[in-house]
Amino acid sequence: NAGVMQNPRHLVRRRGQEARLRCSPMKGHSHVYWYRQLPEEGLKFMVYLQKENIIDESGMPKERFSAEFPKEGPSILRIQQVVRGDSAAYFCASSPEGAASGEQYFGPGTRLTVT
Amino acid sequence: GESVGLHLPTLSVQEGDNSIINCAYSNSASDYFIWYKQESGKGPQFIIDIRSNMDKRQGQRVTVLLNKTVKHLSLQIAATQPGDSAVYFCAERSGGSNYKLTFGKGTLLTVNP
Repeated sequence: NAGVMQNPRHLVRRRGQEARLRCSPMKGHSHVYWYRQLPEEGLKFMVYLQKENIIDESGMPKERFSAEFPKEGPSILRIQQVVRGDSAAYFCASSPEGAASGEQYFGPGTRLTVT
Repeated sequence: GESVGLHLPTLSVQEGDNSIINCAYSNSASDYFIWYKQESGKGPQFIIDIRSNMDKRQGQRVTVLLNKTVKHLSLQIAATQPGDSAVYFCAERSGGSNYKLTFGKGTLLTVNP
């Protein structure tokens, strides 16, 4: 059973370009979460999705950021018109339906660098 | 502001010693508290969790203690090994049907051989 997969692992974008980050949850997991981590800081919650639904997007910047988790295919975190402040590691996590424990399984992250 | 925070940003121990990492939280409604380990360049790795109605839980070489009276959480690692060197984060899960995690800033544990 493969773990949470994220791609690309590293992404370099110039200011103003778009960044698309992909996350494939663990098999059988229907809950996906995106977190952002700045250097030497903890992870900050961005958005929580279930299939075709956004459950909580309270951590998402109101502009330029969007997320989706379609019925088929990976979850996508999209950042439009990137700025240098978007440079960070973006982690995706997943958990199964019910989530009877606190455990979320994290992917290896996508390191976004905006030049 | 942060609802989860750590008392010590860095901790250095000798191999074989026991390590204790502390964490304070403020959200009484959280239903789970979790410890994650993060090695450089990798994603967080689950260590152990504890439900809010418990005060102690043991795993392999690790013990988590929860003191709801003072809203304090700790992770004890027995016989610390060089492979335990990493950043450790505590996190709390929102109560109810919202499973998002709120993380603290992390403690860097360094194990000296």
